[in-house]
Amino acid sequence: EPEVTQTPSHQVTQMGQEVILRCVPISNHLYFYWYRQILGQKVEFLVSFYNNEISEKSEIFDDQFSVERPDGSNFTLKIRSTKLEDSAMYFCASSPSGGRLSQFFGPGTRLTVL
Amino acid sequence: AQKITQTQPGMFVQEKEAVTLDCTYDTSDPSYGLFWYKQPSSGEMIFLIYQGSYDQQNATEGRYSLNFQKARKSANLVISASQLGDSAMYFCAMREGQGGSEKLVFGKGTKLTVNP
Repeated sequence: EPEVTQTPSHQVTQMGQEVILRCVPISNHLYFYWYRQILGQKVEFLVSFYNNEISEKSEIFDDQFSVERPDGSNFTLKIRSTKLEDSAMYFCASSPSGGRLSQFFGPGTRLTVL
Repeated sequence: AQKITQTQPGMFVQEKEAVTLDCTYDTSDPSYGLFWYKQPSSGEMIFLIYQGSYDQQNATEGRYSLNFQKARKSANLVISASQLGDSAMYFCAMREGQGGSEKLVFGKGTKLTVNP
């Protein structure tokens, strides 16, 4: 069964460093998302992406964040200058289309900022 | 105001019994979707079940069913015949509006523990 994959599973970085989190959505899906979950808290929406552009973003998704689909398969989240409060689990999700179809989540990348 | 409210931080159930996890939602949009996800201790988010606002019947997927009461704005998850592997966090989520770009808004989750 096709699934969303994410790499790395765990990323440790120093405050102020740039990180790139990578995702490979399910191949025939058209809508892509990033969410984050701070330890012990609920899952929060960051950004959605369709047709090679951002379709919606939350107030969390400030100028230090960016997303890219550099080729036909990868979908990346870049954090330019990490802060301690960026430590969280980051989930990529994809959806084939709108309507009733669900968003399928990847296994997540745990980001630890020291 | 919270869009999704899960009032049970933790629930316990005996193996093989049924359990209901509560979820209420708040929206003025007539078109919306409600989702339940399971998050085991390993951290991944597993899609369980979906209910559309215009669906006439309650959704069912195997041992999972959704008790959808539109007038009360509730979408409770019922797990029948609980298994030890059902122990996990369970999140209720909502998507408002049509189309595919809308975000999911999650509740704070309920931690379910299944006792042998």
